[in-house]
Amino acid sequence: TQLLEQSPQFLSIQEGENLTVYCNSSSVFSSLQWYRQEPGEGPVLLVTVVTGGEVKKLKRLTFQFGDARKDSSLHITAAQPGDTGLYLCAGVNNNDMRFGAGTRLTVKP
Amino acid sequence: EAGVVQSPRYKIIEKKQPVAFWCNPISGHNTLYWYLQNLGQGPELLIRYENEEAVDDSQLPKDRFSAERLKGVDSTLKIQPAELGDSAVYLCASSSQGRYYNEQFFGPGTRLTVL
Repeated sequence: TQLLEQSPQFLSIQEGENLTVYCNSSSVFSSLQWYRQEPGEGPVLLVTVVTGGEVKKLKRLTFQFGDARKDSSLHITAAQPGDTGLYLCAGVNNNDMRFGAGTRLTVKP
Repeated sequence: EAGVVQSPRYKIIEKKQPVAFWCNPISGHNTLYWYLQNLGQGPELLIRYENEEAVDDSQLPKDRFSAERLKGVDSTLKIQPAELGDSAVYLCASSSQGRYYNEQFFGPGTRLTVL
């Protein structure tokens, strides 16, 4: 059983559409991170959220940390083919970080 | 600034053979991680080093896996003997203690195929 459940597991959309992916857990985290991983590469950090209810924006990406610091969402506006990749969330407590299985996003031109 | 360097990028071996992976972290990063990533899954921590000390190796299968970071810089992960189920991507990451929460920088990984 994954500590962090990500949904959906796969998502295929057309360029220009909006989407939201989710990261849920029954555990409380001191912080939560989102990474994007492209084929043949390691994950690259997109954002760290720390405070319950926190919202961070990175261009067309909006990240939200749940009030109870157990869950998070990533919303992408007007998706582009360059957004294609595996989106991983990772919950952090002290130096312990656990990854979810990821959402594999494909944006078709 | 150079990122995390891993070698080799790909390795194909027969089962029961030994294999070793090498990682050079970002200069100045005192924390080094080895992860295993199976297809369609997120990375799973194998071992974490603070300088040359292994501070979390609870998920490392010690009967066949070993790791070292002798001078607190680069690190080697070894599997001996390899099994079919070890086929995966082995990722190395590094981080530096600072005000940003455990931001890890990953290398490109070594893709291991055991035949």
